[in-house]
Amino acid sequence: GAVVSQHPSWVICKSGTSVKIECRSLDFQATTMFWYRQFPKQSLMLMATSNEGSKATYEQGVEKDKFLINHASLTLSTLTVTSAHPEDSSFYICSATKAGAQGETQYFGPGTRLLVL
Amino acid sequence: KQEVTQIPAALSVPEGENLVLNCSFTDSAIYNLQWFRQDPGKGLTSLLLIQSSQREQTSGRLNASLDKSSGRSTLYIAASQPGDSATYLCAGTGNQFYFGTGTSLTVIP
Repeated sequence: GAVVSQHPSWVICKSGTSVKIECRSLDFQATTMFWYRQFPKQSLMLMATSNEGSKATYEQGVEKDKFLINHASLTLSTLTVTSAHPEDSSFYICSATKAGAQGETQYFGPGTRLLVL
Repeated sequence: KQEVTQIPAALSVPEGENLVLNCSFTDSAIYNLQWFRQDPGKGLTSLLLIQSSQREQTSGRLNASLDKSSGRSTLYIAASQPGDSATYLCAGTGNQFYFGTGTSLTVIP
């Protein structure tokens, strides 16, 4: 099967610090990865689309300078929350697209819970 | 371990028909249930969110219900349109997201 991992699974940080979250496709190459976040009692919302070797495409309302995305290889994308504030506390989840004979399938990571104090 | 299954895996209907997509989960200890649509090459688009204490949510032509006791959720699409063609995913949230297997919907003009 296709496995996507995220690291760390939990992170607590002080306001003003930067936090990096990794998303890895363990057994397949992913040309496209997606980053989502979910605030409490709200639905999962797409933040950005990350393509290997190119700049990420951000959804409306997502600050690209605050949420830095790097997709340096076909198996790794990173999301860095810069100068984190309490309102950035959320559940962040990534997914990776695997191409197959019957089209593309998205596989989701287990998510990262961020708490900014 | 939570397992989420969607039936049918694929569905093709003529335009204008009402349809129901099914989602079943094995562990009723979910926090909420969400429905998404996925277009080819795109990220997920959130459709409806049903909180644990709620039974249904409606948005336009979409209505989603949740029955935790039976481990089921349904997504009802009224008066289907070709633009509704996409893959529909349900996901239960506990300690993490548990995504369903998806239903590929094709609405024929």
